[in-house]
Formats: sequence, structure tokens, C-alpha cells
Amino acid sequence: AQSVTQLDSHVSVSEGTPVLLRCNYSSSYSPSLFWYVQHPNKGLQLLLKYTSAATLVKGINGFEAEFKKSETSFHLTKPSAHMSDAAEYFCVVSGNFGNEKLTFGTGTRLTIIP
Amino acid sequence: AAGVIQSPRHLIKEKRETATLKCYPIPRHDTVYWYQQGPGQDPQFLISFYEKMQSDKGSIPDRFSAQQFSDYHSELNMSSLELGDSALYFCASRPLNWLAGENEQYFGPGTRLTVT
Repeated sequence: AQSVTQLDSHVSVSEGTPVLLRCNYSSSYSPSLFWYVQHPNKGLQLLLKYTSAATLVKGINGFEAEFKKSETSFHLTKPSAHMSDAAEYFCVVSGNFGNEKLTFGTGTRLTIIP
Repeated sequence: AAGVIQSPRHLIKEKRETATLKCYPIPRHDTVYWYQQGPGQDPQFLISFYEKMQSDKGSIPDRFSAQQFSDYHSELNMSSLELGDSALYFCASRPLNWLAGENEQYFGPGTRLTVT
């Protein structure tokens, strides 16, 4: 079985400063990992994904994440926060073929301070 | 680009009533997933379909059933509704080329179900 743990339920950063949202995963096999973003009263948008091709993954809106197997981590970063980044962020793991349902972390609410 | 379509977007039902939620996947996506997101919760997997066959099942109540049709759209049927069924219901679809690494799921905007 696979799972993800988001280490912070709430993160606040000032506009223009770096963002770090932490995620650790647990999986008995090589996982597929994703970050999704959900703005208030909106659907889930894929930010980026890791599927073993490269450990540093670049996504949309300037976000990127690094897969570290030794640390079982997949932290999400952005060099400079923008007001529009305020949202709920979910770290997500998927199983292999035949077990592709997504398992979500509990989410991290990102607040941007003007 | 076409996205996943869900209807209705909002639905209000009374306890013990029945509700049907519809999902139209992105063209050429053959797999559909249903998720339930309660207030302040993370989405929970309910059920999935691949090529019109149920492929996986999560924590879906027996009162709920779902199917995928020949045009790949899917419907989630919910009977004997309870107050606790109030949630945002998401449908997601996945591309055909799973083995090519295209295993991401694309989500629809969701159907907000309120049971009173």
C-alpha cells in the first residue's frame, strides 16, 4: 500500500519569498508522485508529476519538486511566491498498473502575505 | 483543450432521495475515476472504470453504484442519501498511454452535493 504525509497543514510566506511545501511518501514499489493544487471552490489542477524519468521535476507556474529516494521525500518549491499561489496543495501518490487510484495527502494550505 | 465535464455542478437533495452525477472524460481517455471530498478533507477514491469495466473499488458505500457507458462517460448513482453524503464529488480521467508514462489524472470541476 502507498501513502503520503504532508508535514505542514498550513504554510504562510511573504510575497516574493521562496515556498517550500513538504511531502514524504511510503510505497513498496517505485511510486508515481504528483502535486495538485486546489483554489477555493475550484477543482484540482495538476502542478507536476514524477514517474522516474528525472528526479527534478518542473511544473506549471514556476513550481518544481525533487524526488529523493533516500529521504522518501517529494517536496514542492517555488523561488518566489505570488499572491495567486494562495491555495490548498495536495501531495498525491499513485500505484502501478492495475492499482492507479490516487491517494492524497491531507493537504497544505498556502497563505501569501502581501 | 477539452477538459473533464461534470454535471450538474450543484445539486441539493433531501435525505433518502436519489442522486445521479454524470462525468464526461476528455476525448480518447478510457479510464474514469470518482473521488469524494468532504468539507475540509482530502479527496477519497470511490471507484474506477477502464474500458467500461469496473477496475478498482475504494470506500464506496453499498448505496452507491456507478457504471461507464460505451461512449466512456460515467454515472455515479447515489440512493438513500444521508446528511454525511454532502461533499464535492470529483471525476477524473486518464490518457490511454499509461505505459508511455502518461498516468496523470485530469479532474473535472466537481459536483457539489448538499443533502438536507
